[in-house]
Amino acid sequence: SQTIHQWPATLVQPVGSPLSLECTVEGTSNPNLYWYRQAAGRGLQLLFYSVGIGQISSEVPQNLSASRPQDRQFILSSKKLLLSDSGFYLCASGTGAWSSYNSPLHFGNGTRLTVT
Amino acid sequence: GQQIMQIPQYQHVQEGEDFTTYCNSSTTLSNIQWYKQRPGGHPVFLIQLVKSGEVKKQKRLTFQFGEAKKNSSLHITATQTTDVGTYFCAGPGGDDKIIFGKGTRLHILP
Repeated sequence: SQTIHQWPATLVQPVGSPLSLECTVEGTSNPNLYWYRQAAGRGLQLLFYSVGIGQISSEVPQNLSASRPQDRQFILSSKKLLLSDSGFYLCASGTGAWSSYNSPLHFGNGTRLTVT
Repeated sequence: GQQIMQIPQYQHVQEGEDFTTYCNSSTTLSNIQWYKQRPGGHPVFLIQLVKSGEVKKQKRLTFQFGEAKKNSSLHITATQTTDVGTYFCAGPGGDDKIIFGKGTRLHILP
């Protein structure tokens, strides 16, 4: 089964500082990868998704970016953090075989980011 | 764009009472999945529904997919404290996107 590694678990960063969150996947190849953000007590907002190396689709215009330098590595970055970037960031992996059974999203443990 | 509405946003029930959360899509869905997120944790897959009118059960949990494949529900019978958490539905948003409803947070009163 898939294992999603995400780090760090918690992060406190000042406004204007850069950000780099990394996600790596084990147990599958050529997964679809996703970055979601969850504000406190709120739903899951899709930020970016990728169907292959170097292929990134952005859902929400903002000061965040994503990259996929390797098949099972997904990176979320920012050059200058805003207060509104605070939240719970979740990386997820899926097979892309959406129309079949047993193709759930597997989530990492997430990174709680507080921008001060 | 594709949206999945989920209600209610919050639900407080006495332990032993039933609980239901509903999802409604703006477009027909090929599939719908349900996830549970415990407080402080990450979403965990519960089940996937594919067929029109499908009903699946997992112990005290009953999942339904509407005939038109635009709505779905999760019903929990006789809630227990272990049911606490946020329940999300999720569906395909086109182009390999997977979008989530805003979730229903279930709080159990002892």
